[in-house]
Amino acid sequence: ETGVTQTPRHLVMGMTNKKSLKCEQHLGHNAMYWYKQSAKKPLELMFVYSLEERVENNSVPSRFSPECPNSSHLFLHLHTLQPEDSALYLCASSQDPASGRVYNEQFFGPGTRLTVL
Amino acid sequence: GQNIDQPTEMTATEGAIVQINCTYQTSGFNGLFWYQQHAGEAPTFLSYNVLDGLEEKGRFSSFLSRSKGYSYLLLKELQMKDSASYLCAVTDSNYQLIWGAGTKLIIKP
Repeated sequence: ETGVTQTPRHLVMGMTNKKSLKCEQHLGHNAMYWYKQSAKKPLELMFVYSLEERVENNSVPSRFSPECPNSSHLFLHLHTLQPEDSALYLCASSQDPASGRVYNEQFFGPGTRLTVL
Repeated sequence: GQNIDQPTEMTATEGAIVQINCTYQTSGFNGLFWYQQHAGEAPTFLSYNVLDGLEEKGRFSSFLSRSKGYSYLLLKELQMKDSASYLCAVTDSNYQLIWGAGTKLIIKP
């Protein structure tokens, strides 16, 4: 247990469905992240929220829509996805990267394994 | 562009020593992380280096040379449970993590 939970752990959806991924952190961190992990590829940073404001959006298609209602919760809303979006979606949290700490380790949730049919 | 290189897969024997290398080219440098990820699980933090030299933590050690853009993770007295992927990541000038694709380590009895 790393203090970061994600639901659901597995999700199968059709291309016309709408679904949401949920992440919750219990570590008192003020930055949260969404990553996409595909086989044999580096982790792809999708979105970063710091102090509940989006600070990073790495050219992610609009069919992915993040939401951060407070510093403990992060959502990823999905609609009209494509089969190539099938991957493991990881949520992580940390103290704000530029907070002046020596280092800002990211703590990861277990991920949601998404399959788009 | 920014780039992290590490071997795709390595195989080692239980009880032996293995070194996993990582080279990087990034815009700025604010530290290098190593994470361990077992299949189907979340990555977990192993080590952090920001100054040149060797950091030892039990059976695991991590080395950094900033001038060479190079790091390695050294695993001693390998155990079967060390079979996992090992991810190298560098914090750039914007304090964002740039990730390598990971090295899958297979431990054989």
